[in-house]
Amino acid sequence: DTEVTQTPKHLVMGMTNKKSLKCEQHMGHRAMYWYKQKAKKPPELMFVYSYEKLSINESVPSRFSPECPNSSLLNLHLHALQPEDSALYLCASSQGPNSYNEQFFGPGTRLTVL
Amino acid sequence: QQQVKQSPQSLIVQKGGISIINCAYENTAFDYFPWYQQFPGKGPALLIAIRPDVSEKKEGRFTISFNKSAKQFSLHIMDSQPGDSATYFCAATYSSASKIIFGSGTRLSIRP
Repeated sequence: DTEVTQTPKHLVMGMTNKKSLKCEQHMGHRAMYWYKQKAKKPPELMFVYSYEKLSINESVPSRFSPECPNSSLLNLHLHALQPEDSALYLCASSQGPNSYNEQFFGPGTRLTVL
Repeated sequence: QQQVKQSPQSLIVQKGGISIINCAYENTAFDYFPWYQQFPGKGPALLIAIRPDVSEKKEGRFTISFNKSAKQFSLHIMDSQPGDSATYFCAATYSSASKIIFGSGTRLSIRP
């Protein structure tokens, strides 16, 4: 199984809502990532988890809160988002946190903030 | 110094032609240069990658050419097919890092 799955595929939320994005992989990978991608732009790294510990936070606003409950799951909790946070949110995983390890990306969650 | 500059922004190539995408970097500490392919509605996928001790790497119809002295690298797609129509991102990174520095992307369209 070389797949990273993400749910939901689409999410529309108001600025006062609380929602969560979920990501799962069963490849035994020990590094997992959240990226944000705006239309016609490259992915921007948000967070890296290495062996279930947060190792990188790219100065992401606190309205985004990551969680890694176990080695297969990664969540992104969303609260009080702004319309400019509308984007495609991509999850990825790799065997280890070193960038030589291929990152496998999920299909993303398309988020719209009204 | 962390940037990777990519050109062109968009490219239209006839079926069977050669597609060429160029990238340049500043930081000589980068030691791994992957290319990603992204189809609409999908996440990026690693296409091919090269390390700076090699000047060329070929996988099927895809070739990376690497010029260390000029700090430039390029992707060549031979015999381009409509199924190659996608957005391509070049990237650079350090072996000890988790972060990949992406180029701005090239939207490639192959005309049948």
